[in-house]
Amino acid sequence: ETGVTQSPTHLIKTRGQQVTLRCSSQSGHNTVSWYQQALGQGPQFIFQYYREEENGRGNFPPRFSGLQFPNYSSELNVNALELDDSALYLCASSPDSQNTEAFFGQGTRLTVV
Amino acid sequence: GQNIDQPTEMTATEGAIVQINCTYQTSGFNGLFWYQQHAGEAPTFLSYNVLDGLEEKGRFSSFLSRSKGYSYLLLKELQMKDSASYLCAAPTGGGNKLTFGTGTQLKVEL
Repeated sequence: ETGVTQSPTHLIKTRGQQVTLRCSSQSGHNTVSWYQQALGQGPQFIFQYYREEENGRGNFPPRFSGLQFPNYSSELNVNALELDDSALYLCASSPDSQNTEAFFGQGTRLTVV
Repeated sequence: GQNIDQPTEMTATEGAIVQINCTYQTSGFNGLFWYQQHAGEAPTFLSYNVLDGLEEKGRFSSFLSRSKGYSYLLLKELQMKDSASYLCAAPTGGGNKLTFGTGTQLKVEL
């Protein structure tokens, strides 16, 4: 157990819909990173939030957006869902943006049909 | 940018030793991570190397050569529970924004 929790665990959405995924970071951690992991692939970095501000973004379109709240929990929002968005979405919590430790949650399995 | 390569699959026998290789090309080096991921679960941290050489942690060891852009994870006394995907990752732009390889699926057989 890493103390990082994600919800929901599984989700099915229709193409074109919008989805919000949630992550509660480990106590004392102010940095949250989001990753997309397609089947049989390694996780791909989406973006990172540090103290409620975006702190780096990977090669994902603007329809992927996020928020971090004052308690350092975070949301990932995806608009206009596409079939290729079907993946495991992982949240990683870190003590700060430069610390090498990153603790992953169990992930949300998103299926777009 | 970062480019990380590792084999897709490996098979080994219970009790044996297996070495999983990773080669990387990075615009700036800030260390190399190894994670273990069981099917349907979160990646879990195994090791972090920033200096050349071998670091040992029980049955697992990790090696780094910065001049060769090369790392390996060594698993000794393999157990069935070691069947998992092993992910090599490097920080992008410092800190903990990670670029991962595709992962090496290890199958441990009797």
